Amino acid sequence: DARVTQTPRDKVTEMGQEVTMRCQPILGHNTVFWYRQTMMQGLELLAYFRNRAPLDDSGMPKDRFSAEMPDATLATLKIQPSEPRDSAVYFCASGFGGANYGYTFGSGTRLTVV
Amino acid sequence: AQSVTQLGSHVSVSEGALVLLRCNYSSSVPPYLFWYVQYPNQGLQLLLKYTSAATLVKGINGFEAEFKKSETSFHLTKPSAHMSDAAEYFCAVSEDFGNEKLTFGTGTRLTIIP
Repeated sequence: DARVTQTPRDKVTEMGQEVTMRCQPILGHNTVFWYRQTMMQGLELLAYFRNRAPLDDSGMPKDRFSAEMPDATLATLKIQPSEPRDSAVYFCASGFGGANYGYTFGSGTRLTVV
Repeated sequence: AQSVTQLGSHVSVSEGALVLLRCNYSSSVPPYLFWYVQYPNQGLQLLLKYTSAATLVKGINGFEAEFKKSETSFHLTKPSAHMSDAAEYFCAVSEDFGNEKLTFGTGTRLTIIP
């Protein structure tokens, strides 16, 4: 089965450090999402791309977060500087354009900022 | 704006009993509706989706859901619970092409009692 690959699986970092999370979407999928999951807020959309162009990043703190798709096989989410409140599981999902197809989620990156 | 309400953050059922997880949605246009399941320390897996075809949707692992426009509901059911069904279940709503981001409910944790 095709899958969305996220790296690293777990990341522990100190406050103030830069964190980069990577996602390899399923080959051929043209829509990529970044979600964050916490106990308090649940699943929040941070950003999403279609054909590598950002469509919506309104859920992302602009001062410290950035999301890019350098090419069709790689999406990145960067936090600089990281803060303890950024501790969460970050999920990437990919799909074809159009919600009726559904989306495939990766296994997530568990980020702990100490 | 689209939204989803999941009634009951925790549901417990006996093995072999009916599973019913409730989801109500709000959308300004005909919605696409999804149920995802999340096992511990894993990503989200699509169980089933409603995309304006049949109102009764069958998914994986014996689950099904019925779209009821008059009640704005999309409840998830399974006739006979199995121990392996223990997980967290998320209902999600999306609109059409151009606004296909998923908005998730807060989740329902399903516990199966032996």
